[in-house]
Amino acid sequence: GAVVSQHPSWVICKSGTSVKIECRSLDFQATTMFWYRQFPKQSLMLMATSNEGSKATYEQGVEKDKFLINHASLTLSTLTVTSAHPEDSSFYICSASLPGLAGQDTQYFGPGTRLTVL
Amino acid sequence: AQKVTQAQTEISVVEKEDVTLDCVYETRDTTYYLFWYKQPPSGELVFLIRRNSFDEQNEISGRYSWNFQKSTSSFNFTITASQVVDSAVYFCALSKGSSNTGKLIFGQGTTLQVKP
Repeated sequence: GAVVSQHPSWVICKSGTSVKIECRSLDFQATTMFWYRQFPKQSLMLMATSNEGSKATYEQGVEKDKFLINHASLTLSTLTVTSAHPEDSSFYICSASLPGLAGQDTQYFGPGTRLTVL
Repeated sequence: AQKVTQAQTEISVVEKEDVTLDCVYETRDTTYYLFWYKQPPSGELVFLIRRNSFDEQNEISGRYSWNFQKSTSSFNFTITASQVVDSAVYFCALSKGSSNTGKLIFGQGTTLQVKP
């Protein structure tokens, strides 16, 4: 159980185009999903918290208009990188929070999406 | 402020050796959760363990064991009789004791290389 998928697993696009990444919780419902960015040999950096049915909460320094997040259902959140540029190239990872008792939620991670912007 | 420190950037061991990955955390919360995740070369983070701040009991799962010491704010991870398949980046993480956000603060990660 607690499987999270991401699609696509990798994408190459031209500068100026937009790219959409999907994150799905396959066997549980997740009211909260998270989007992270990871540069090579570095830790995960939280970009935003995605809540089903409401606006995402972005971390300081993350451009809301550039990284659009939609959490349309309890099993799907999408991240759209708008007008992508080479500096947006990175490994994007989502996680879905599996609810537990009294705040004991556990995040399960998707396999990640490697974005390369030419 | 909350912070997680994994002082060991890289560790290299020979198969069958035991290895301990260190994790030190900082928080002012009385209720919090600690996690360990494994990130193999494929990139997907694999959940290993969650421990809440009120449970200092050490845990063993097969070759894995965890030592939670609240007095030293540490949550160390030991792999016994390491195997090549254990080679990965291991992340320690901390979250607040709230079901509302569940934000994770990650350490910088420790790259473990197990040589045959």
